Amino acid sequence: NAGVTQTPKFQVLKTGQSMTLQCAQDMNHEYMSWYRQDPGMGLRLIHYSVGAGITDQGEVPNGYNVSRSTTEDFPLRLLSAAPSQTSVYFCASSATSGEETQYFGPGTRLLVL
Amino acid sequence: SQQGEEDPQALSIQEGENATMNCSYKTSINNLQWYRQNSGRGLVHLILIRSNEREKHSGRLRVTLDTSKKSSSLLITASRAADTASYFCATDRYNNNDMRFGAGTRLTVKP
Repeated sequence: NAGVTQTPKFQVLKTGQSMTLQCAQDMNHEYMSWYRQDPGMGLRLIHYSVGAGITDQGEVPNGYNVSRSTTEDFPLRLLSAAPSQTSVYFCASSATSGEETQYFGPGTRLLVL
Repeated sequence: SQQGEEDPQALSIQEGENATMNCSYKTSINNLQWYRQNSGRGLVHLILIRSNEREKHSGRLRVTLDTSKKSSSLLITASRAADTASYFCATDRYNNNDMRFGAGTRLTVKP
């Protein structure tokens, strides 16, 4: 199993550009989530999904969209990038929400100029 | 806002010593988890303790949970240089599907 994979590893954007961060898992997990981690801070939840076709907002959802058309994939879209979105983004999955270990991807480092 | 708050923010000890980190949270929870993050890497799950449990062990790790005080502690015994990392607590809030992380404790173990 590859576990949780994220692409790209690193991305530079200009303010106003859009992009999609990819996340995929091959463990048949129902629960997937996106976090951002800023320097010296813990992870803040952006969006999460408890199954295909179901998404919900986390703590810091503004400026981000998600969709969950399949169990395996949970892409995160930045519609119009802003410097405040410069961060490291982590995708995670678990069998169920909260009751099980969350498996994290390696992260995507995003720089918005 | 962050659900969990770790204390201390940073901890530096010598190899062989024990390290204790604390986590406080604000709302009722289903369970609490501890994760480790090595610099520049993703988080790795260490241990999960459910709200009806008071103590749990895993190897050199001991976790306690006091739901009346809304707090948890992580003890790493006989620390090694390889334990150098940031440690985060995360809570699965009661009747809520999202997980909240604290800001973490940065542990440095000197050889």
